[in-house]
Amino acid sequence: ETGVTQTPRHLVMGMTNKKSLKCEQHLGHNAMYWYKQSAKKPLELMFVYSLEERVENNSVPSRFSPECPNSSHLFLHLHTLQPEDSALYLCASSQEFHLGASPLHFGNGTRLTVT
Amino acid sequence: GENVEQHPSTLSVQEGDSAVIKCTYSDSASNYFPWYKQELGKRPQLIIDIRSNVGEKKDQRIAVTLNKTAKHFSLHITETQPEDSAVYFCAANFGNEKLTFGTGTRLTIIP
Repeated sequence: ETGVTQTPRHLVMGMTNKKSLKCEQHLGHNAMYWYKQSAKKPLELMFVYSLEERVENNSVPSRFSPECPNSSHLFLHLHTLQPEDSALYLCASSQEFHLGASPLHFGNGTRLTVT
Repeated sequence: GENVEQHPSTLSVQEGDSAVIKCTYSDSASNYFPWYKQELGKRPQLIIDIRSNVGEKKDQRIAVTLNKTAKHFSLHITETQPEDSAVYFCAANFGNEKLTFGTGTRLTIIP
């Protein structure tokens, strides 16, 4: 049990599709994150939510739309993606965001392929 | 800007030998430096971290050293075992908030 659960594990979608990635954390953490992991590139921070409020949007295209209905759930809504958006999308949580030194707990990720 | 450089990108060591991975960071205000291990097909997991008020931290076969003056920190794995094979990522916090990650090191332990 990782404490952070992501679904689905794999997703194949066409460029005109709309899909959503889901993340749930069972750790009682106050901050949740979306990261993008591409081959041979560092983990890229996409969005941060702290106590359900978005505190960071790291210049992510509008075809990615996050949603945080409560402190335990995080979604990433996808629409009109491009093939270069194919990557592993990792959700993470931490105790706090603004403390700055709070370890991240990652989910297993969703492997997204855009055709 | 916010930058963490990690070297080497790949590393192969004989089982039982030591492995060292090095990272440099750009922001002198950074004060938190975690290391994550990601096995093939699995999630990154925190294996050790160090804060700027100490120069070294050890946990069994794993140790991390920090040189604040030179702005670099290193991961040391001694007596390596096959299960140590994975990709290792360093990170540093910027502005006391965001973690910025290095590009990763693929470590292979040769039996």
